Amino acid sequence: GDSVTQMEGPVTLSEEAFLTINCTYTATGYPSLFWYVQYPGEGLQLLLKATKADDKGSNKGFEATYRKETTSFHLEKGSVQVSDSAVYFCALSDSTYSGSRLTFGEGTQLTVNP
Amino acid sequence: GAVVSQHPSWVICKSGTSVKIECRSLDFQATTMFWYRQFPKQSLMLMATSNEGSKATYEQGVEKDKFLINHASLTLSTLTVTSAHPEDSSFYICSAIRQVEQYFGPGTRLTVT
Repeated sequence: GDSVTQMEGPVTLSEEAFLTINCTYTATGYPSLFWYVQYPGEGLQLLLKATKADDKGSNKGFEATYRKETTSFHLEKGSVQVSDSAVYFCALSDSTYSGSRLTFGEGTQLTVNP
Repeated sequence: GAVVSQHPSWVICKSGTSVKIECRSLDFQATTMFWYRQFPKQSLMLMATSNEGSKATYEQGVEKDKFLINHASLTLSTLTVTSAHPEDSSFYICSAIRQVEQYFGPGTRLTVT
């Protein structure tokens, strides 16, 4: 079945550092890929998505490119802030939209220190 | 934006008792809600799909008689863990579908002693 693998955390960075969180997937067909963020005490929020190969999703300075050849969807940000501290989840769906069954990765805890 | 709440946020119960968790869509109606379970340092695992006015659809391996789901209105789904045991201790998360996007609640931490 479908699966998502994220890099192990936790990840600790200093403010303004470059962030990469790796995500690879296994799926039949052509899934859509998502990154969700969960701030303390809040529900998961959709951060960005990409629905086909070579698409780049971006939001709030975060980017991820759908790489079919490497089955990857790595999350990047050029300069992190303390407010980016959260848990990040990579996920896939067989639908273009997030409103269907999602398969999640394990989540990566990010802590950004001032 | 779309808001989903869960109640309680944390509950402790004794082994053998039942506990009910509520999931509400606060500013929209949702015919479909999902229930997930998350173990520490693990991914969210879909337990069941809750459809308003009909029976829930459970994922393979999820005991439907243990995890009772009721979606009696367009803004409320409940998950009842019956005869809870320590191995049911987990983080339970619900989500609600608004139009074509999925919105998540903040989760409920269940501890069974």
